[in-house]
Amino acid sequence: EIVLTQSPVFQSVTPKEKVTITCRASQSIGGSLHWYQQKPGQSPKVLIKYASQSTSGVPSRFSGSGSGTDFTLTINGLEVEDAAAYYCHQSDRFPYTFGQGTRLEIK
Amino acid sequence: QVQLQESGPGLVKPSETLSLTCTVSGVSVSSGSFYWNWIRQPPGKGLEWIGFIYYIRDTNYNPSLKRRVTISADTSKNQFSLKLNSVTAADTGVYYCAGHLKTSGYYVHWGQGALVTVSS
Repeated sequence: EIVLTQSPVFQSVTPKEKVTITCRASQSIGGSLHWYQQKPGQSPKVLIKYASQSTSGVPSRFSGSGSGTDFTLTINGLEVEDAAAYYCHQSDRFPYTFGQGTRLEIK
Repeated sequence: QVQLQESGPGLVKPSETLSLTCTVSGVSVSSGSFYWNWIRQPPGKGLEWIGFIYYIRDTNYNPSLKRRVTISADTSKNQFSLKLNSVTAADTGVYYCAGHLKTSGYYVHWGQGALVTVSS
């Protein structure tokens, strides 16, 4: 099983700040890494697919990078509405796995 | 527009079977284009993939749950279902049905989630 380790697990941030969340895979997964945002009481919503590809309707302040084992989600100019949990997810090999999540709190 | 909706009992007794159904609209569950998944989330914790069904009867399960899980499809109702037997309190959580295209592994389509509590 591929283990995805996210850091940080929690971060308290101010609006307009730049936020970086990392996801490290226990073995190479190429570019098959996706990022989701989950707000309380809601289903996850895909932000970035295949490491760096944007998805429809997602604000341009969200971007992704990386390949192999190291991946990054960046939020440029954090907004209050970005308070949420963020998860990485790999679809390279079965079983599919998720990172443990990163919770962003807005100060 | 593809939509998914979970339904089923919100309370299950320990050692019994958890049963949930996902009703799909906007696409046929027999479509070879989609993989139909179950994912769960314990309270306050992260996401765990349970498994999926595709082409109506082909399945793939998480090895950690494989002995207890069955995912099936009912094309007449355009639904797919999850059965998890011998449940314990550790199986408590929100259960999501979700779909992804055969050609891509990320989830665009999600149900709203169904909270299932295992308790006597």
